[in-house]
Amino acid sequence: EAQVTQNPRYLITVTGKKLTVTCSQNMNHEYMSWYRQDPGLGLRQIYYSMNVEVTDKGDVPEGYKVSRKEKRNFPLILESPSPNQTSLYFCASSWTGANYGYTFGSGTRLTVV
Amino acid sequence: QKEVEQNSGPLSVPEGAIASLNCTYSDRGSQSFFWYRQYSGKSPELIMSIYSNGDKEDGRFTAQLNKASQYVSLLIRDSQPSDSATYLCAVIWNSGGYQKVTFGTGTKLQVIP
Repeated sequence: EAQVTQNPRYLITVTGKKLTVTCSQNMNHEYMSWYRQDPGLGLRQIYYSMNVEVTDKGDVPEGYKVSRKEKRNFPLILESPSPNQTSLYFCASSWTGANYGYTFGSGTRLTVV
Repeated sequence: QKEVEQNSGPLSVPEGAIASLNCTYSDRGSQSFFWYRQYSGKSPELIMSIYSNGDKEDGRFTAQLNKASQYVSLLIRDSQPSDSATYLCAVIWNSGGYQKVTFGTGTKLQVIP
């Protein structure tokens, strides 16, 4: 089944404790992206990757890191999480860009206390 | 950042009626437009894409695009309770040769049995 797999689904952590949210897709998509979704603000792009070793900032990159060492994986790293990073996070992938429409992962609800 | 505006709703329609969801966007050069459906607690799911002026039909769904008015809409015919969800409009625009996407904050649709 074609899918984007995110883990974990739920995560509660403390301020400052480094964490990684994993994302993997099995569709051989070149383009991958991370979003956060907050009430009233909608989906906002954190980082995106056009292909292996090619990443760029989205609209709200502060406090996040990403890497794209393999085509299928695109982890999101929070080196020192803060409470304002409490949100619902989605990984998404597409053939070569957002112009082809996204397949989204199932989401990660992160709470930073 | 380009703007995409949607009425947050909720839009309530009786079962069997036509639901009309609207979206306006600020970038006159935008080329591609998408509608995603998001059930509560779930990830967005791509349901329609439209690239040129006019109507595009897929089953009970019709997307309508008017680039001159910078307006895109989604019609759902014979609305069913299972259509109750939040519908997100996404607009693709170009920045420095790269494709960017902006999501609206979504319209919540309630189909009343």
